[in-house]
Amino acid sequence: EAGVVQSPRYKIIEKKQPVAFWCNPISGHNTLYWYLQNLGQGPELLIRYENEEAVDDSQLPKDRFSAERLKGVDSTLKIQPAELGDSAVYLCASSFISGGRSEQFFGPGTRLTVL
Amino acid sequence: DAKTTQPNSMESNEEEPVHLPCNHSTISGTDYIHWYRQLPSQGPEYVIHGLTSNVNNRMASLAIAEDRKSSTLILHRATLRDAAVYYCILRDAQGGSEKLVFGKGTKLTVNP
Repeated sequence: EAGVVQSPRYKIIEKKQPVAFWCNPISGHNTLYWYLQNLGQGPELLIRYENEEAVDDSQLPKDRFSAERLKGVDSTLKIQPAELGDSAVYLCASSFISGGRSEQFFGPGTRLTVL
Repeated sequence: DAKTTQPNSMESNEEEPVHLPCNHSTISGTDYIHWYRQLPSQGPEYVIHGLTSNVNNRMASLAIAEDRKSSTLILHRATLRDAAVYYCILRDAQGGSEKLVFGKGTKLTVNP
């Protein structure tokens, strides 16, 4: 079974440019998460989807970040415009919540460098 | 969110057992204890979780103190592939919350 797929794996852009990350979760997983991970820190949740609905986006900086999950499957996270401080690894995870079990499966992440 | 405290780093020798401690003195009755690990250049992966009783799976064992204010992840025989950052996380299962709040974790070094 394929795991969570993310692309691109690496992205280098100049500040003020837009950037987008794509995530394909594990088939059948109804919940999708986007995390941000700064160097030396643990991941921080940006947004969580249950099917198509964003149920927790309280940590998403909505002035420049946006996300969508069309048809409750793939998801895209966008930053426009990017700032130097956005350099980090962006992780996507998915899970199927059933009977209280909610193991999250993570993708390899996209490493963003903003110059 | 209830917080956890872990040592920043630990070292072990290959093929020896490793005990990774975690303190969570403010744990509530509905908090599950989860462990994830993150190998270099990869996303985190689930290791194990428990509520009150000790748990075993193919990867590790989780020993939970009787008062639930601390827990220990046990790797029975460390291998070089176990070198990773290990995160101890409390997940509040009340109300269906699936939020994981990661700390800085413990960086485990395994010496050959």
